[in-house]
Amino acid sequence: AQTVTQSQPEMSVQEAETVTLSCTYDTSENNYYLFWYKQPPSRQMILVIRQEAYKQQNATENRFSVNFQKAAKSFSLKISDSQLGDTAMYFCAIWPESGTYKYIFGTGTRLKVLA
Amino acid sequence: EAQVTQNPRYLITVTGKKLTVTCSQNMNHEYMSWYRQDPGLGLRQIYYSMNVEVTDKGDVPEGYKVSRKEKRNFPLILESPSPNQTSLYFCASSSKVRSVSNTEAFFGQGTRLTVV
Repeated sequence: AQTVTQSQPEMSVQEAETVTLSCTYDTSENNYYLFWYKQPPSRQMILVIRQEAYKQQNATENRFSVNFQKAAKSFSLKISDSQLGDTAMYFCAIWPESGTYKYIFGTGTRLKVLA
Repeated sequence: EAQVTQNPRYLITVTGKKLTVTCSQNMNHEYMSWYRQDPGLGLRQIYYSMNVEVTDKGDVPEGYKVSRKEKRNFPLILESPSPNQTSLYFCASSSKVRSVSNTEAFFGQGTRLTVV
């Protein structure tokens, strides 16, 4: 069975500061994809960043970057220069390359950016 | 514009009254699925479909039905809703082609269902 664990239910950060959201996962698959999705108060699920497990290089998208540690099965999200619009629920998810096309989500981290 | 459209966005109903939540995508995706989101539990898969007329159970299928008669549509049916089905529901679609550019799941806007 595959699992995703987000151990921080809530976090806060001052505007312009940097924050890191943690995610660990468990899978027996050889290849898989990892994602961070953002869910603002509008409830829309927005893809923030994704990473292929066989790629060593950490993915980066503007102010968002990941620290992918495959051996430790860790996939943390770093948000630099936090903005008020980053206030949202963040979900970590894994999608195995084989199997039933199912995304397995963590329980989410609610991030609040403070002015 | 690529999108997944769910309707309705909000629904309050009574126990036992059959309802359908519609989902439609315009990206010609083969794969569609339904999730429910509950506080502290994240998103859990209810049902999924690999293609027309091909559906299967996810992790929490009890009390739900789906159908896939057309590629673009994947309605979720609650034949006899109960209060424990009060939740936020998402439809999602993605391509079955396995490449990094195609792994993104596109989500609908969500349906907030309350069963009283």
